[in-house]
Amino acid sequence: ETGVTQTPRHLVMGMTNKKSLKCEQHLGHNAMYWYKQSAKKPLELMFVYNFKEQTENNSVPSRFSPECPNSSHLFLHLHTLQPEDSALYLCASSLHSGTSGDNEQFFGPGTRLTVL
Amino acid sequence: AQTVTQSQPEMSVQEAETVTLSCTYDTSESDYYLFWYKQPPSRQMILVIRQEAYKQQNATENRFSVNFQKAAKSFSLKISDSQLGDAAMYFCAYRGLYNTDKLIFGTGTRLQVFP
Repeated sequence: ETGVTQTPRHLVMGMTNKKSLKCEQHLGHNAMYWYKQSAKKPLELMFVYNFKEQTENNSVPSRFSPECPNSSHLFLHLHTLQPEDSALYLCASSLHSGTSGDNEQFFGPGTRLTVL
Repeated sequence: AQTVTQSQPEMSVQEAETVTLSCTYDTSESDYYLFWYKQPPSRQMILVIRQEAYKQQNATENRFSVNFQKAAKSFSLKISDSQLGDAAMYFCAYRGLYNTDKLIFGTGTRLQVFP
């Protein structure tokens, strides 16, 4: 596997379910990101992790719980979601975060989440 | 706060022709980066081209080039010799020079390429 991978690619869940999204990067990066992509809206940054530490939480509801056990893996734990949370969730990674200069983000293919 | 606006929800072009996608942005910063990302139907977002605001020369990458007008806060993408594989969503994005975590995206332009 190369680049940034995400599993599952599709997920359907009820509002009372608990599920997790997984992201893995094979690029030797130290920073990882979660984005939400909804139809006809700009991508929204949700969380940023740098060297396993959360450095940004963009006012995300607590029903989304991120976890970063190491620099290569990022999870998004989901519980008690609402139908409006249905979206494409994208993971990205970059060499580092919080520094000036070029810091290109590489994206995964996303998980299409549907909340019934 | 910075904003990015893409006013063309959809565009179409014939194969081998040239198409220009528009992007405008608003910022009070003097130094920043601008990007065009491509998201094909398979959904993996890839970087097409980047522009540093302090560089006056427009960036080019093979068939892709930008027209960066800093005073007008305009950053358009020109695709020359369009190919069927260029069909995708194209997103314009902004990042400040110092807050490098936050990419601010536009709403995207869907490009269709006809044979």
